[in-house]
Amino acid sequence: GEDVEQSLFLSVREGDSSVINCTYTDSSSTYLYWYKQEPGAGLQLLTYIFSNMDMKQDQRLTVLLNKKDKHLSLRIADTQTGDSAIYFCAERDRDDKIIFGKGTRLHILP
Amino acid sequence: DTGVSQDPRHKITKRGQNVTFRCDPISEHNRLYWYRQTLGQGPEFLTYFQNEAQLEKSRLLSDRFSAERPKGSFSTLEIQRTEQGDSAMYLCASSLVSGEQAFFGQGTRLTVV
Repeated sequence: GEDVEQSLFLSVREGDSSVINCTYTDSSSTYLYWYKQEPGAGLQLLTYIFSNMDMKQDQRLTVLLNKKDKHLSLRIADTQTGDSAIYFCAERDRDDKIIFGKGTRLHILP
Repeated sequence: DTGVSQDPRHKITKRGQNVTFRCDPISEHNRLYWYRQTLGQGPEFLTYFQNEAQLEKSRLLSDRFSAERPKGSFSTLEIQRTEQGDSAMYLCASSLVSGEQAFFGQGTRLTVV
């Protein structure tokens, strides 16, 4: 079945850029998503990219997609303490199911 | 439109009891998804609907779990004879068919004691 993998932890200094990486297995994915989850809160859709695009920028967020390598990344510029959260990569598969990775916990160092 | 709504937000139940959760999707969203999330894990797919039709149920899901979406609007998820391992956050999401965005509710946190 489909699988989405991402590293579990990332520590970044405040003001630096954060880059969270993700790999997926389904070459027929239609959309790829980044969700943010703060402690005790629900899933917030941060950004998404259609599978025929290779980049999308939205203010401090940049999504890069390498479809050949099935690699997705999320770059957060000028990381702030409010960016501290768990970030989930997800793919929308050929059957329209949304499959999630285990999440990357982003820790901001002062 | 107030987004995806789930009820209740919290549920504590004794082992062996049945529980039912409700999800109200964003109006006109014909896809509805159910997920389960345990501590430190990503959301795990349970089942999904297009309108009132249940399209797929996870092979990992016990027969104690059943979901319905009788009129293609709200959905219910029932767990029969709850076990401690069922303790988790149950999340609902909705989207348009092959729509770009899928939106999640705040979830129902189930604790089985």
